[in-house]
Amino acid sequence: KAGVTQTPRYLIKTRGQQVTLSCSPISGHRSVSWYQQTPGQGLQFLFEYFSETQRNKGNFPGRFSGRQFSNSRSEMNVSTLELGDSALYLCASRLQGAGGELFFGEGSRLTVL
Amino acid sequence: EDKVVQSPLSLVVHEGDTVTLNCSYEVTNFRSLLWYKQEKKAPTFLFMLTSSGIEKKSGRLSSILDKKELFSILNITATQTGDSAIYLCAVEWYSGAGSYQLTFGKGTKLSVIP
Repeated sequence: KAGVTQTPRYLIKTRGQQVTLSCSPISGHRSVSWYQQTPGQGLQFLFEYFSETQRNKGNFPGRFSGRQFSNSRSEMNVSTLELGDSALYLCASRLQGAGGELFFGEGSRLTVL
Repeated sequence: EDKVVQSPLSLVVHEGDTVTLNCSYEVTNFRSLLWYKQEKKAPTFLFMLTSSGIEKKSGRLSSILDKKELFSILNITATQTGDSAIYLCAVEWYSGAGSYQLTFGKGTKLSVIP
């Protein structure tokens, strides 16, 4: 079966712009989580959605937001981009909201100039 | 604050060596500990540990959890260049309202040279 699909894979933005990233989970998975990965901080949790509801949120400013659709696809948005937002954004899905492994996508590499 | 600490942060070994990667944690409402391997982009699942003292094995990789001392180790024997990757440790914990969250360590970057 198809894995977790993230689009776009690479993008370049300038400070002040906004960006929307998309994630399609594995078919049947209802939980989608987003992580930001940088060399200095590792994987940091952004938020998790389950059945269209945000269940958990990490310690990121309000510029970071997300949503989940009825087909479990998820999007995250970052507004008013800053240089420090440059990172690999990883999406992960799993069947339920707890237990078992997370299946990760290839990520979206965001560069902010 | 909950945290997961991995050591060492980076490691360079020669093919054939055995390596031990460490992961210690301080979380409340612990549920499980997971190990992932990240070679290029997408981390891939290695092990999930929930009980102390029970070793999980997959080929040359093995892992064990100590819930009393709050740590886990990942062993790789007879390392190969294909083992070069970032190894991530994550702890799953109950965050309330029926939901669980994972906190990752910063990872150990392993480089295996011929």
